[in-house]
Amino acid sequence: AQKITQTQPGMFVQEKEAVTLDCTYDTSDPSYGLFWYKQPSSGEMIFLIYQGSYDQQNATEGRYSLNFQKARKSANLVISASQLGDSAMYFCAMRGSGGGGADGLTFGKGTHLIIQP
Amino acid sequence: NAGVTQTPKFQVLKTGQSMTLQCAQDMNHEYMSWYRQDPGMGLRLIHYSVGAGITDQGEVPNGYNVSRSTTEDFPLRLLSAAPSQTSVYFCASRGGGPDYEQYFGPGTRLTVT
Repeated sequence: AQKITQTQPGMFVQEKEAVTLDCTYDTSDPSYGLFWYKQPSSGEMIFLIYQGSYDQQNATEGRYSLNFQKARKSANLVISASQLGDSAMYFCAMRGSGGGGADGLTFGKGTHLIIQP
Repeated sequence: NAGVTQTPKFQVLKTGQSMTLQCAQDMNHEYMSWYRQDPGMGLRLIHYSVGAGITDQGEVPNGYNVSRSTTEDFPLRLLSAAPSQTSVYFCASRGGGPDYEQYFGPGTRLTVT
């Protein structure tokens, strides 16, 4: 079974500061993918960034980067130069290798990030 | 492209009633899935499909049925609604390999009284 743990229920950060959102995972799959999604107060799920378990380099997408430490089973999201519009719930999620035809994402419980001016 | 669409946006049911949440995608994605989101719980997988005619259970399938007769549509049926099924329901789809992102619909907020 797969498990995602997000240990920060809520975070307050000053605008323009960098933010690190923690995510640890557990899986027995030899190959897997890790995702981060943003959910603003309007409720939609917005894809931010993806990291494959065999990717040699950490993923980056604009102001988002994923600090992937495979040995520690962590996949922290880093947001550089935070903005007021970054205030939202952030979810870490995992997809396994699809063994046995399985699909779908396993989500953590999320971190509520509030950016203060 | 409309992406992933869900209807209705809001629904109130009485205990014991049945209903179908509709989900459609126009991206020709093979993979589709349903999630529910409860406060403090994140999203949990209800059912998924890896292609037309193929469905399987996720983490929390009890009380729900699905079918996939076409690539585009993946309806979720509540057989006999219970207050524990009050939640926000998201449908999602994706293409190809395991690294493909999930595209989520806007969600359906369901209340069972």
